[in-house]
Amino acid sequence: EDKVVQSPLSLVVHEGDTVTLNCSYEVTNFRSLLWYKQEKKAPTFLFMLTSSGIEKKSGRLSSILDKKELFSILNITATQTGDSAIYLCAVRSGGATNKLIFGTGTLLAVQP
Amino acid sequence: NAGVMQNPRHLVRRRGQEARLRCSPMKGHSHVYWYRQLPEEGLKFMVYLQKENIIDESGMPKERFSAEFPKEGPSILRIQQVVRGDSAAYFCASSPSREAPGELFFGEGSRLTVL
Repeated sequence: EDKVVQSPLSLVVHEGDTVTLNCSYEVTNFRSLLWYKQEKKAPTFLFMLTSSGIEKKSGRLSSILDKKELFSILNITATQTGDSAIYLCAVRSGGATNKLIFGTGTLLAVQP
Repeated sequence: NAGVMQNPRHLVRRRGQEARLRCSPMKGHSHVYWYRQLPEEGLKFMVYLQKENIIDESGMPKERFSAEFPKEGPSILRIQQVVRGDSAAYFCASSPSREAPGELFFGEGSRLTVL
């Protein structure tokens, strides 16, 4: 059965800290891995990764994929209270539906 | 350009009633996915629809749940004879095509509470 596992489940840090969120997966017909940020509303898209070893970067956030070891990390540097959210990792498997399979998420709380 | 629109945002039902959740995809998108999110859990795939077709309903319970995406109008997720365990946030997402390499665009969800 396809699965996506995220760790840690939750994390509390102080403003200015750097955090690393982990995502490992086992899926058939891997196509891409996506990171989303979910505050109290809709998940909002952060990154999509398809190739190993190529870092995607957006401001203080960056992510990289290792297709050999089947994992990805999401880094956030100089965290701010506005980074507090659930970070969701999802993998798109191929086949008929192209659906996303989500992990349970990492709840990040950034304290002032 | 409006995003994915879901309504109602909040719905309260008593056990045994029916719940209908609606989703209008982004303009130009003809593919709709429904996901359920239980407290402390991730998003679980339920069903994938194209206009007038159910492509994959492997994540949807066999009984009481149904979904449609008619030629005209929004996609509807229908839950009959609701039970307390159906209380969850139901998210709809859309994409322009099955082969689109990009992300799914999510609505803000419909939160169902069953009393």
